[in-house]
Amino acid sequence: KAGVTQTPRYLIKTRGQQVTLSCSPISGHRSVSWYQQTPGQGLQFLFEYFSETQRNKGNFPGRFSGRQFSNSRSEMNVSTLELGDSALYLCASSLEGAPGNTIYFGEGSWLTVV
Amino acid sequence: AQSVTQLGSHVSVSEGALVLLRCNYSSSVPPYLFWYVQYPNQGLQLLLKYTSAATLVKGINGFEAEFKKSETSFHLTKPSAHMSDAAEYFCAVRTTGGGNKLTFGTGTQLKVEL
Repeated sequence: KAGVTQTPRYLIKTRGQQVTLSCSPISGHRSVSWYQQTPGQGLQFLFEYFSETQRNKGNFPGRFSGRQFSNSRSEMNVSTLELGDSALYLCASSLEGAPGNTIYFGEGSWLTVV
Repeated sequence: AQSVTQLGSHVSVSEGALVLLRCNYSSSVPPYLFWYVQYPNQGLQLLLKYTSAATLVKGINGFEAEFKKSETSFHLTKPSAHMSDAAEYFCAVRTTGGGNKLTFGTGTQLKVEL
């Protein structure tokens, strides 16, 4: 069974540009979440999508957005990139139905903003 | 709001020694708690989870954790450390209110020395 797949794994962008990251959840998982990991702030929740609707949102500016498609695949977009957006972006997926369900993470997308 | 606190950002043990990584939680309702491990340049891998079924939880790679309500703790242990255990470990709590959002601790970097 394939795990959570994130693309691209590594990318370098320039300040002011925008970036789109992609996530394919585990087959059958309809919940997809995104997290930002930085040395200074640690792991922070960005947002969660379920059945193409944003269900939870973290405390990030509007430059960070996401969406989910009917096949549960998700994308997140960061516009007007800033140096501080350099981070590892992790996608996670989970089944619905029980709060004890495991949340599975992908390998992440490393974003460097120069 | 639910939260977790990890005591000790860096822990160093000798190979073969006991590993103890500390996690305390804050929650007004029974929590769902998780331990994840992150190896360099990788995503998060679930070690174990507490879902109220049993207070002593066994996970992968010989790790286990005990949920102690009286101490609001969920410490991670392993009887005998191996060099391959060197990684960063994160304690997390699933937030209430619906959805699959995790709130993470700040992480503990485990170093295993010969």
